[in-house]
Amino acid sequence: DAGVIQSPRHEVTEMGQEVTLRCKPISGHDYLFWYRQTMMRGLELLIYFNNNVPIDDSGMPEDRFSAKMPNASFSTLKIQPSEPRDSAVYFCASSPLAGGNTGELFFGEGSRLTVL
Amino acid sequence: AQSVSQHNHHVILSEAASLELGCNYSYGGTVNLFWYVQYPGQHLQLLLKYFSGDPLVKGIKGFEAEFIKSKFSFNLRKPSVQWSDTAEYFCAVTPSGYSTLTFGKGTMLLVSP
Repeated sequence: DAGVIQSPRHEVTEMGQEVTLRCKPISGHDYLFWYRQTMMRGLELLIYFNNNVPIDDSGMPEDRFSAKMPNASFSTLKIQPSEPRDSAVYFCASSPLAGGNTGELFFGEGSRLTVL
Repeated sequence: AQSVSQHNHHVILSEAASLELGCNYSYGGTVNLFWYVQYPGQHLQLLLKYFSGDPLVKGIKGFEAEFIKSKFSFNLRKPSVQWSDTAEYFCAVTPSGYSTLTFGKGTMLLVSP
C-alpha cells in the first residue's frame, strides 16, 4: 500500500534557479497539504488543497512560491527564483478528510532542498 | 490564531528512564490535539490524538498523553523509554472543525542504550 510519494528526496541548486517539488498523495484522499520544516520556524503550513482546489495559501511566503494540483494524484510546489533562505525540508501530506477532523495526516518522506 | 509551544528542543535519556515531553497551546475554544513522531530517516506518523472524552489518551508503542484543559497542555509520557524511541516528537493542535494543524517546533529525543 503506497503512501505519499515525494520527489526528489534531495535537491541542491544554485540561487536563482527554479525548483519543482512533486507529490503524489494517497489514492482517495481529498486533502493535500504542503508543509515546510526549518530549524527556526519548525513545521509551517504553506498551502492546502481540497479536491484539487487551493483552499488556503496564506502560508506561502511570497510570490516566488506557487503550488498546483492539476489532478487528484499529483501536486507540485514550485520556487522561482530560489534563494538560500528557501533551504528547508518540504513535506507533502494527504488526508481522506480534513486533517483536524480525522486527526491523521499521512506524510511523505520530504524533499530536502539546499539552495547555495 | 492558535500556536503550540514545546518546552524542550532536545532531551537525552537512558533506556528505561521515564519520559515526559511538554506541550502547551494557545487557543480559547475547543481543540483537537495530536502528537506525531518522526523516526530517523522516516516520515512523520501519528502517535496519538485527542478529540473529546477521557483526557488520558493512549497511543502506539506505550505512549500516552494527558489533556489538561485548565493548563492548555497536552503532555506526552512514557513510563520506560527504549533506544528505538529515539526520534523527533511534534505536538499539533487544531480548533475543532478546522482543516489544518498547527505544529510545535518539535522535541528531539535521544535514548542512549
